[in-house]
Amino acid sequence: DQQVKQNSPSLSVQEGRISILNCDYTNSMFDYFLWYKKYPAEGPTFLISISSIKDKNEDGRFTVFLNKSAKHLSLHIVPSQPGDSAVYFCAVLYGGATNKLIFGTGTLLAVQP
Amino acid sequence: EPEVTQTPSHQVTQMGQEVILRCVPISNHLYFYWYRQILGQKVEFLVSFYNNEISEKSEIFDDQFSVERPDGSNFTLKIRSTKLEDSAMYFCASRDLLEPQHFGDGTRLSIL
Repeated sequence: DQQVKQNSPSLSVQEGRISILNCDYTNSMFDYFLWYKKYPAEGPTFLISISSIKDKNEDGRFTVFLNKSAKHLSLHIVPSQPGDSAVYFCAVLYGGATNKLIFGTGTLLAVQP
Repeated sequence: EPEVTQTPSHQVTQMGQEVILRCVPISNHLYFYWYRQILGQKVEFLVSFYNNEISEKSEIFDDQFSVERPDGSNFTLKIRSTKLEDSAMYFCASRDLLEPQHFGDGTRLSIL
């Protein structure tokens, strides 16, 4: 059951540079995508989302890009800061009124000072 | 900022025992969820709850699992007879109609 895939388990970036986290999905019917950030011993925290009617959504240092034809989305963090070091989960909203989340496996981002 | 709270943070239980994980969702939220994350694996949906009934459950959520909203503030997950493979982090989440899901910090369940 690999409906949402994050192929990079980890990523290391220098402070101030861009972090790019990638996510692929298999079902072309998916139409709402989210990124969550998770620190150790805490629950996932909502970061940013995008609907399939858009190809880009921006919130401060965070931008999510959606390529529907490739079934691919990415999260850009510019500039990266040490406090951004966390696990980032891509998720898809699925199930009509239920709106359950289907998560990817996560990417551990380490931002080096 | 309002948050979802979960208790206990860590629960250690003997195999075969019943366990109840507790959650206090954000007060004006209407939709409630349980997810779990087995160590090294992805976060998986277990069950959703709306209007005092289960709206959807996954294949994982078998007869050993139940959920309840016993009063206006708590939302509980009960595992009737725990198995070793139930060891995981269990996350509660809640949301209002047009909001993303807000998660608690989880309960680490260890089955011995």
